[in-house]
Amino acid sequence: KAGVTQTPRYLIKTRGQQVTLSCSPISGHRSVSWYQQTPGQGLQFLFEYFSETQRNKGNFPGRFSGRQFSNSRSEMNVSTLELGDSALYLCASSLEPSGEQYFGPGTRLTVT
Amino acid sequence: KQEVTQIPAALSVPEGENLVLNCSFTDSAIYNLQWFRQDPGKGLTSLLLIQSSQREQTSGRLNASLDKSSGRSTLYIAASQPGDSATYLCAVLQGAQKLVFGQGTRLTINP
Repeated sequence: KAGVTQTPRYLIKTRGQQVTLSCSPISGHRSVSWYQQTPGQGLQFLFEYFSETQRNKGNFPGRFSGRQFSNSRSEMNVSTLELGDSALYLCASSLEPSGEQYFGPGTRLTVT
Repeated sequence: KQEVTQIPAALSVPEGENLVLNCSFTDSAIYNLQWFRQDPGKGLTSLLLIQSSQREQTSGRLNASLDKSSGRSTLYIAASQPGDSATYLCAVLQGAQKLVFGQGTRLTINP
């Protein structure tokens, strides 16, 4: 069974631009979560989607948004990029609530 | 607010040694605790999942324990190998699929 996939793997953007990242969960998994990883703050929860509904959201500004499609694939969008948004963005999927979470390889975003 | 702490932040040991990584959390109202491994620049690989009702889980040379009442978990690695070198992260699951992570322990196994 294929694992969690994320595209693109690397992105370089300029301040003020917007970016969309994509995540395809493991087949059959309906829960998708997003995390931001930086050297200073570590791993921080962004949001979680289940059956196209956002169930939980972390403490991030409104510039960070996401959605989930009927096939469970998810996208996250960051608008008006800032230098501090440079990070590794990780997506995770799970089969059921309180189940084991499986992470993708991440998207490395660099904002210049 | 849940806080997860991992000690030590870094650990370097010779190959073949058994070692223990520690994780503590402040709020015992968790669904489960998961240990991950992360290689530089890569995603997270799940190592072990312990449900809140369980006390320990084992996989090969790895054994993880959970004491929810005291807010502690340990990851025991037996007969360490250079390939075990990585950052090890523990995370507790709270609410709707929200993992709260520790800062990790960077492990180096010297041949």
